[in-house]
Amino acid sequence: TQLLEQSPQFLSIQEGENLTVYCNSSSVFSSLQWYRQEPGEGPVLLVTVVTGGEVKKLKRLTFQFGDARKDSSLHITAAQPGDTGLYLCAGETSGSRLTFGEGTQLTVNP
Amino acid sequence: EPEVTQTPSHQVTQMGQEVILRCVPISNHLYFYWYRQILGQKVEFLVSFYNNEISEKSEIFDDQFSVERPDGSNFTLKIRSTKLEDSAMYFCASSAYLGIEQFFGPGTRLTVL
Repeated sequence: TQLLEQSPQFLSIQEGENLTVYCNSSSVFSSLQWYRQEPGEGPVLLVTVVTGGEVKKLKRLTFQFGDARKDSSLHITAAQPGDTGLYLCAGETSGSRLTFGEGTQLTVNP
Repeated sequence: EPEVTQTPSHQVTQMGQEVILRCVPISNHLYFYWYRQILGQKVEFLVSFYNNEISEKSEIFDDQFSVERPDGSNFTLKIRSTKLEDSAMYFCASSAYLGIEQFFGPGTRLTVL
């Protein structure tokens, strides 16, 4: 069974600060997706990374896939209150299923 | 922007009853999935479906569960005899390619009493 561990579980920061969320596994993934989920809603896809070492940027969000495709990170620059939410990483193996992490609950205080 | 839709948003049922959860995937997507999320827990994979067949299923997806694509647009999850522990959010997802870039619907909250 593949496991994805996210850290930290909870993060509370002030507006304008930078932060990094980590997603680690002992398994190799074909791809890794990052989602954001609001309470009572479905996960919303932010980005997909496929190639080891790949870096993708989405405005103030930077996503990196580890060289060995076992880990990933999400870095947010100059966080804003609108960034508050639950960030999930999900790894895809050789089949079709996504294995989700527990999530990082981010709170950005004004 | 195309999106996955799900109905109903909330379903309340008695233990032992059958429920059907409905989904309309994104129209040009070929791969369909069901996931569930028990309150306070991780999102868990149930099943994937392609070309009118189950591609992969998890250990959760036992004989009480079934999936169907009854027409060109709908994708359904049937739970034959609901149990208390089936109470969860059920998410439908679809993708254009196998496994990758799965887009999720808003979910159906199933409450089994």
